[in-house]
Amino acid sequence: EPEVTQTPSHQVTQMGQEVILRCVPISNHLYFYWYRQILGQKVEFLVSFYNNEISEKSEIFDDQFSVERPDGSNFTLKIRSTKLEDSAMYFCASSPGQGIGTQYFGPGTRLTVL
Amino acid sequence: QQPVQSPQAVILREGEDAVINCSSSKALYSVHWYRQKHGEAPVFLMILLKGGEQKGHEKISASFNEKKQQSSLYLTASQLSYSGTYFCGTATSGTYKYIFGTGTRLKVLA
Repeated sequence: EPEVTQTPSHQVTQMGQEVILRCVPISNHLYFYWYRQILGQKVEFLVSFYNNEISEKSEIFDDQFSVERPDGSNFTLKIRSTKLEDSAMYFCASSPGQGIGTQYFGPGTRLTVL
Repeated sequence: QQPVQSPQAVILREGEDAVINCSSSKALYSVHWYRQKHGEAPVFLMILLKGGEQKGHEKISASFNEKKQQSSLYLTASQLSYSGTYFCGTATSGTYKYIFGTGTRLKVLA
């Protein structure tokens, strides 16, 4: 069964450093999402992406965040200058349709900012 | 504004039933339900669209009351594997920004 994959599974970085989290969505899906979950808290929407552009973003997704689909398979989340409060689990998800489509989540990347 | 889920936590014995509610102050277009086990990614359970439909998935079903902007998840004859945190994810009309609810921790005991 096709699945969303994410790399790395765990990333440790120093405050102020840039990180890139990578995701490979399910191949025939058209809509892509990033979420984050601070330990023990709810899942928070960051951004949705369709047709090579951002379709929605949350208040959390400020100028330090960016997303890109550099080729036909990868979907990346870049955090330019990490802060301590960026420490969280970051989930990528993809769906065949937006709004009415099932969202398939990847296993997540645990980001730890020191 | 995030949807509010109730109850926050529930403990059941195997075979018992539970209802989890998800309420929003905004007009909803769709409601997704997910289950997340500790240390794992959320797993999609079902989606409901506005129109008051009800869906079932084995012993787990859900309803969507458009007038009340509320969705309920029904777990019947619970099994140990049902343990986890349940989240509703809502999308309001005209947007596909999914807002997740506060979560309901469910534990099923043998």
